[in-house]
Amino acid sequence: NAGVMQNPRHLVRRRGQEARLRCSPMKGHSHVYWYRQLPEEGLKFMVYLQKENIIDESGMPKERFSAEFPKEGPSILRIQQVVRGDSAAYFCASSPGAGAGGYTFGSGTRLTVV
Amino acid sequence: GDSVTQMEGPVTLSEEAFLTINCTYTATGYPSLFWYVQYPGEGLQLLLKATKADDKGSNKGFEATYRKETTSFHLEKGSVQVSDSAVYFCLSISNFGNEKLTFGTGTRLTIIP
Repeated sequence: NAGVMQNPRHLVRRRGQEARLRCSPMKGHSHVYWYRQLPEEGLKFMVYLQKENIIDESGMPKERFSAEFPKEGPSILRIQQVVRGDSAAYFCASSPGAGAGGYTFGSGTRLTVV
Repeated sequence: GDSVTQMEGPVTLSEEAFLTINCTYTATGYPSLFWYVQYPGEGLQLLLKATKADDKGSNKGFEATYRKETTSFHLEKGSVQVSDSAVYFCLSISNFGNEKLTFGTGTRLTIIP
């Protein structure tokens, strides 16, 4: 039973390019969360999604960042026109539903902007 | 809003020393509390959890007790090993309204032989 799958594990982008990070939740999980971990900092909440719905995006930067969780396929975190400050580890977590408390994290995608 | 205050690191201990990493929370209602661990180069793994007051979570020799009166969930281990070197995150999950995960800033623990 596969856990939360994130890919790619490592992603290098030049400034101005687009970065797409993918997260496939655990089987049976319909809730997805994205977090960003900046170097030497803690985990910062970005966005909480259910299938085809954004529930809470209060942690998302206002520009260049977007997230989706379509009916079919993985959740995608998209960063347009990346800048050096976007370099970080991005973690995805999934859970079966609100209040379930069963959060499983992926191994993360390490984005490096050069 | 909800918040988690975690003992700042880094923490360096000798093997077999006693470990305490403090964590206190503020939340609406009674959140569920978790400790997650991140080993070098890896993602986050659930270490232990407690979902109501006075519950004690335990795993791999680590323990934490949900103390409502002090709003705390301190992580303890009686005798640490080099393999415990990692970053530890305290997490609060409030079920009040939309579920929201609130992490502490993480504590980097290094155990020296």
